[in-house]
This record gives sequence, structure tokens and C-alpha cells, in this order.
Amino acid sequence: DTGVSQDPRHKITKRGQNVTFRCDPISEHNRLYWYRQTLGQGPEFLTYFQNEAQLEKSRLLSDRFSAERPKGSFSTLEIQRTEQGDSAMYLCASTTGYGETQYFGPGTRLLVL
Amino acid sequence: AQKVTQAQTEISVVEKEDVTLDCVYETRDTTYYLFWYKQPPSGELVFLIRRNSFDEQNEISGRYSWNFQKSTSSFNFTITASQVVDSAVYFCALSENSGYSTLTFGKGTMLLVSP
Repeated sequence: DTGVSQDPRHKITKRGQNVTFRCDPISEHNRLYWYRQTLGQGPEFLTYFQNEAQLEKSRLLSDRFSAERPKGSFSTLEIQRTEQGDSAMYLCASTTGYGETQYFGPGTRLLVL
Repeated sequence: AQKVTQAQTEISVVEKEDVTLDCVYETRDTTYYLFWYKQPPSGELVFLIRRNSFDEQNEISGRYSWNFQKSTSSFNFTITASQVVDSAVYFCALSENSGYSTLTFGKGTMLLVSP
């Protein structure tokens, strides 16, 4: 039984470049969440998908951020024109229903130089 | 709005000591869910426990125990006879029944267990 996977695990990029992260949820989970965690803080919610529909976006998700979940399977999170403030750990979680346990992937550590 | 407070930023103990990590939450919902996660240095969040607002029974799992008290809006976590492998950052989190059950996390408590 595989858990949530994320790719890449680490990404270093230069300011102004675009980056894309991928999340593969647990296969029977139809709900998927993205969170961002900066140093010394707890994860903060970014966006939520139920199947392929993006149902909620945080105010943290500026217009440089876009997320997709085609066919309700894997999800991608793209950041355009990266800024140094985007440096963080990006975490993906999946679950089966409201209030149920969210299982997290290993995260993608982004460093913007 | 929901909020989780973990007032202890860092705790240092010596192996075999008992340690309690505090968590206080705020919510207007009557139905909600509380969680504890462990984040070792590798960075992955590891699920420890889930509790719904209607179940105030304390729970024990091996060396871990949880004390849920609705009267004080607290959900504290105790590790008995701590071990070096318990060293990690521990997060308390809350999701409300309304909305899409997004998790609101506290800032975490870093636990350092020395030999």
C-alpha cells in the first residue's frame, strides 16, 4: 500500500523562473490538499481538490500560483515567476472524506535564489 | 475562525523522562476534529492520532497518551519514558465540520530528547 508521493523532493531555482511540483495521492483518496510550510511554522493551507474540481483556494495562493488535478488523480502545483519569498516546503495530503485523517507526502523543498 | 496554539516552542528532556506537549484550540463549530502529527528531521508529517469533538475519552497507545478536555479547549499529548527517537517537531491541528475540512496547524513544539 503506497502512501502519498511527491516529486521532486528538492528544487533549487533562480528568481523569476517557473517551477512545477507533482503529487500522487493514495489511490482511493478523492480529496487532495496542498499546504505550504515555512521555517519554524506549521503548514498553511493553499488549495483543495475534490476529484478534479478545485473547490477552495487560500488567500495565500496568489495569481502566480496555479494548481490542477486532471482526471482526479495526480495533482500539479505551478509557481510562475518565483520570488525568494516562495522558498518553503510544499506539502500534499490526501484523504477519503471530511474530517477524516489527511495523510501527507514527503514534501517538496523549494529554494529560490 | 479556527485557531490552534502550541505555546511551547521547544522542550528539552533527558531520555526516560515523561513530557507533555500542550495544545489549545479555538473554534465556533460544535463538530470538529483534532489531530497530532510528528515531523522528524526528514520533513514528512506522520499522523499520530485523530479525535472528534464528541469523543472525550482519553487514549493511550504504547508510550503515547492524549488528554482531550472540551471545557478548556485543550488536547494535550504526553510521551511516557521518552526516547531519543521521539526527537521531532510535533504539531497539533484542527479541522472544522463546516467548509472543506482544511487543517489549521499550531506552530509546533520541537522536542529534543538527549541520551
